[in-house]
Amino acid sequence: EAQVTQNPRYLITVTGKKLTVTCSQNMNHEYMSWYRQDPGLGLRQIYYSMNVEVTDKGDVPEGYKVSRKEKRNFPLILESPSPNQTSLYFCASSPSRQGDVSGANVLTFGAGSRLTVL
Amino acid sequence: AQSVTQPDIHITVSEGASLELRCNYSYGATPYLFWYVQSPGQGLQLLLKYFSGDTLVQGIKGFEAEFKRSQSSFNLRKPSVHWSDAAEYFCAVGAYYDMRFGAGTRLTVKP
Repeated sequence: EAQVTQNPRYLITVTGKKLTVTCSQNMNHEYMSWYRQDPGLGLRQIYYSMNVEVTDKGDVPEGYKVSRKEKRNFPLILESPSPNQTSLYFCASSPSRQGDVSGANVLTFGAGSRLTVL
Repeated sequence: AQSVTQPDIHITVSEGASLELRCNYSYGATPYLFWYVQSPGQGLQLLLKYFSGDTLVQGIKGFEAEFKRSQSSFNLRKPSVHWSDAAEYFCAVGAYYDMRFGAGTRLTVKP
């Protein structure tokens, strides 16, 4: 089944304790991204990756890191989590044809990871 | 800059009644428009999309949406709501690498 898999689905941690949320897709998609969802704000993009070894900041990158060493994986790293990073996080992926600037593709989302930082 | 406004934070409808969720967008060119649904504990599932062509688009689960360029709107409709439609609905605009989401509309369905 084509899917985006995130782990963990739920996590409670404490301020300053490094954590990683993993994201893996089995659709051979070039593009992957991370969003956070907060009440009243919708989804906001944290980081994205157009392909392996290519990452860039989204709208709210502060306090987060990412890496894209393999095409299928795009982990989100919180080096020193703080309570304002308590949120619902989504990973998404999309195909991306080389040279295509139209952007007319659909995002496939993971089931979400609910993170609480105490 | 592109943006999306969903004016209704929460809507309650009776089962069997019709539904319309509003979405207004701001975009510099011909927009790519999407509606996603998020059921409790689930990720976002694509309901429908508009890239070009016919301005009335059909989606899954009996939903449709109409693109109105003159009103910068992309409202979602369903003629008869089912209890299983209770969820949060997000309108989005833009290319996959620069997609902007609305704040969402939570739909409650009364028996």
